[in-house]
Amino acid sequence: DTEVTQTPKHLVMGMTNKKSLKCEQHMGHRAMYWYKQKAKKPPELMFVYSYEKLSINESVPSRFSPECPNSSLLNLHLHALQPEDSALYLCASSQSTQETQYFGPGTRLLVL
Amino acid sequence: GQNIDQPTEMTATEGAIVQINCTYQTSGFNGLFWYQQHAGEAPTFLSYNVLDGLEEKGRFSSFLSRSKGYSYLLLKELQMKDSASYLCAVYSWGKFQFGAGTQVVVTP
Repeated sequence: DTEVTQTPKHLVMGMTNKKSLKCEQHMGHRAMYWYKQKAKKPPELMFVYSYEKLSINESVPSRFSPECPNSSLLNLHLHALQPEDSALYLCASSQSTQETQYFGPGTRLLVL
Repeated sequence: GQNIDQPTEMTATEGAIVQINCTYQTSGFNGLFWYQQHAGEAPTFLSYNVLDGLEEKGRFSSFLSRSKGYSYLLLKELQMKDSASYLCAVYSWGKFQFGAGTQVVVTP
């Protein structure tokens, strides 16, 4: 089983809203990731969690706030986003940070 | 930093073979991965090379030369469903960096 699930599939939010994206895996993976992907561009790394601790933050604006409540769950809290933040947000997980990453289906976010 | 280059688009006929090249410049190289991504969907893992040589997985093969900073993905017996973007990703210093992707168009 190489399934990573993400909810919601689609999200529309205003610039003053607060929302959260959720990601879950039950493969026993100890590394989890958030990526942002714009149309016709490759995924861009945002955050890496290793053993439930934030190990990499790619200079992401503070309006994006990650959280790893346990080894199976990864959240991305969103607040005061801008229209340019509209994108596909992908979660991924891997056994460790140097092994194959498996991606969830993504959340398509539209900020109005 | 890293610099990863792959062609923007390739077109091939159903049943043919296509080779997608990827060149990279990086310090601390620890592996090269290939992913397939259909429009509007998540990337799916295809192949992984950490040592020089060829890895074969069914219709897909991937090759790596670390001394040349070069990899290729070979797709054989192309099918219409292989029309997708193919992403080369280099792992170094604890994270992946993806190339811009090669859009493969398979024609009847």
